[in-house]
Amino acid sequence: EAGVAQSPRYKIIEKRQSVAFWCNPISGHATLYWYQQILGQGPKLLIQFQNNGVVDDSQLPKDRFSAERLKGVDSTLKIQPAKLEDSAVYLCASSLSGTDNQPQHFGDGTRLSIL
Amino acid sequence: SQELEQSPQSLIVQEGKNLTINCTSSKTLYGLYWYKQKYGEGLIFLMMLQKGGEEKSHEKITAKLDEKKQQSSLHITASQPSHAGIYLCGLSGGYQKVTFGTGTKLQVIP
Repeated sequence: EAGVAQSPRYKIIEKRQSVAFWCNPISGHATLYWYQQILGQGPKLLIQFQNNGVVDDSQLPKDRFSAERLKGVDSTLKIQPAKLEDSAVYLCASSLSGTDNQPQHFGDGTRLSIL
Repeated sequence: SQELEQSPQSLIVQEGKNLTINCTSSKTLYGLYWYKQKYGEGLIFLMMLQKGGEEKSHEKITAKLDEKKQQSSLHITASQPSHAGIYLCGLSGGYQKVTFGTGTKLQVIP
């Protein structure tokens, strides 16, 4: 079974520029998550999708971050404009359903550096 | 304050030694996940505990859930260099939402 795919693996941009990340979840997984992991911390949930609908985006900085999952499969996360504090690893995860007994499966993440 | 506190923050052990990592929640534990993360990689699911007193094992890793203490422990027996990484506990919430702790960094010296 193919895992969660993310691209790019690394990205370096200057502050105030824009950037986009892509995620393709495991086939058949209805729930998709985007996390931000700052160095030395645990992942923090940014947004959770169930199919193509948003379940939770309470911690997404909506003035600069946006995410979509138009066809209920792959997803993109965008930052515009980027700030220095956005330097982090952005992780995508998926799970089979939204129930509590299904573990999340993670991609390898995109490491974003803001200059 | 953190919902989940992990201790210790970092750990260095000699190969072959046993070790324990603790995860304490400030909220009621309905379920808890353990993940492992290697540098530059995503999180790998280890196990999930759902009931008080539940204990699960996978290879040389055992995890227990103490609902009364709102605590979980992860125990590694006869550690190996392959066990090195960051261990993260995650608190299960509604709709499969998981809140993660800050992690415990484990180094195993050959």
